[in-house]
Amino acid sequence: AQSVTQLGSHVSVSEGALVLLRCNYSSSVPPYLFWYVQYPNQGLQLLLKYTSAATLVKGINGFEAEFKKSETSFHLTKPSAHMSDAAEYFCAVSDIGTSYDKVIFGPGTSLSVIP
Amino acid sequence: EPEVTQTPSHQVTQMGQEVILRCVPISNHLYFYWYRQILGQKVEFLVSFYNNEISEKSEIFDDQFSVERPDGSNFTLKIRSTKLEDSAMYFCASRDGQGAWSEQFFGPGTRLTVL
Repeated sequence: AQSVTQLGSHVSVSEGALVLLRCNYSSSVPPYLFWYVQYPNQGLQLLLKYTSAATLVKGINGFEAEFKKSETSFHLTKPSAHMSDAAEYFCAVSDIGTSYDKVIFGPGTSLSVIP
Repeated sequence: EPEVTQTPSHQVTQMGQEVILRCVPISNHLYFYWYRQILGQKVEFLVSFYNNEISEKSEIFDDQFSVERPDGSNFTLKIRSTKLEDSAMYFCASRDGQGAWSEQFFGPGTRLTVL
């Protein structure tokens, strides 16, 4: 079964600094991976997804993630943090064990941006 | 842009009462899901629904829970006799085609508070 871990439940960066949120996955088959963002008191919004087309995936709001099979990682980065990036970020993997493909979420990383 | 909607945004109920959470998935989507997020914890899969029947359910989804698509547009989650531990944010999601590569679109969530 697929699973996801996220290193660091809380990450704090200065405005303008690099954002790096870590995600590692476990899967016996090539995974489909996602990053979702949850702003305070809001739902889940898809940032980007990896579906094996390209290892470097670009998403919304300047975020990107790189799939590294050798490291079983899918870390999320953004070159320059903005105050509006403060949110909860969830890495997720699509459970391809069934054709109905539920999403399995990691525990989340809370990003704070310091002015 | 099409979106998943959920009502109500916040529901407060007494322990032992029945609640129905409502969702309107995106109109051409075929697969429907409920997830929940207990405060401060990760998002957990509850149930998936396809072709008017449950396709998969988690251990959380016990006999107190049921889902229904009563009229071809709404998708409901019923909790027959709520417990304190049912307090959580409940997210509905839907997606179109079959396959792990198609993303799930999430609604804004219903915050359920059981007193």
